[in-house]
Amino acid sequence: KAGVTQTPRYLIKTRGQQVTLSCSPISGHRSVSWYQQTPGQGLQFLFEYFSETQRNKGNFPGRFSGRQFSNSRSEMNVSTLELGDSALYLCASSLNDRVGEKLFFGSGTQLSVL
Amino acid sequence: SQQGEEDPQALSIQEGENATMNCSYKTSINNLQWYRQNSGRGLVHLILIRSNEREKHSGRLRVTLDTSKKSSSLLITASRAADTASYFCATDTGTYKYIFGTGTRLKVLA
Repeated sequence: KAGVTQTPRYLIKTRGQQVTLSCSPISGHRSVSWYQQTPGQGLQFLFEYFSETQRNKGNFPGRFSGRQFSNSRSEMNVSTLELGDSALYLCASSLNDRVGEKLFFGSGTQLSVL
Repeated sequence: SQQGEEDPQALSIQEGENATMNCSYKTSINNLQWYRQNSGRGLVHLILIRSNEREKHSGRLRVTLDTSKKSSSLLITASRAADTASYFCATDTGTYKYIFGTGTRLKVLA
């Protein structure tokens, strides 16, 4: 079974631009969640989707948005990029027909904002 | 901040020694999980302990949970160079959102 796939692996953008990151969960997994990881703040929860519905959202500005498609693939978008958005963005999937499932992580997208 | 705290932030030991890392959290939980992250990569799930459990074992891993103190510890016995990684605890509060600790960087010297 293929793991969680995130694309692209690396991305360099400039301030003010927007970016879209993609995540394909493990086949059969219906929950996808996104985390931002930085050296200073650690892993911060962005949002979680299940069957195309956002079930929870972290404390990030509205510039951060996401969506999930009917095949469970998910995208997150960051508009009007700021230097502080430079981070490793991690996607995780789980079966999650109930709470408390373990998460399977992708390798992440390393975003650098110049 | 809701984020959990891990202690120590960094740990360096010799191969064959045991490594212990601790996690404290702030809210009531359904379960607590430990993950490992190799440099700049995704996290890998190690072990899950439910709120009504006090101790759990998996291979060379031993996890304890004290809900009265809101704390957990992860013990890795007979460490190997391949155990070098960052270790994170994650708490599940039943809201489809996991709160991760700040992480412990473990270095095992051969």
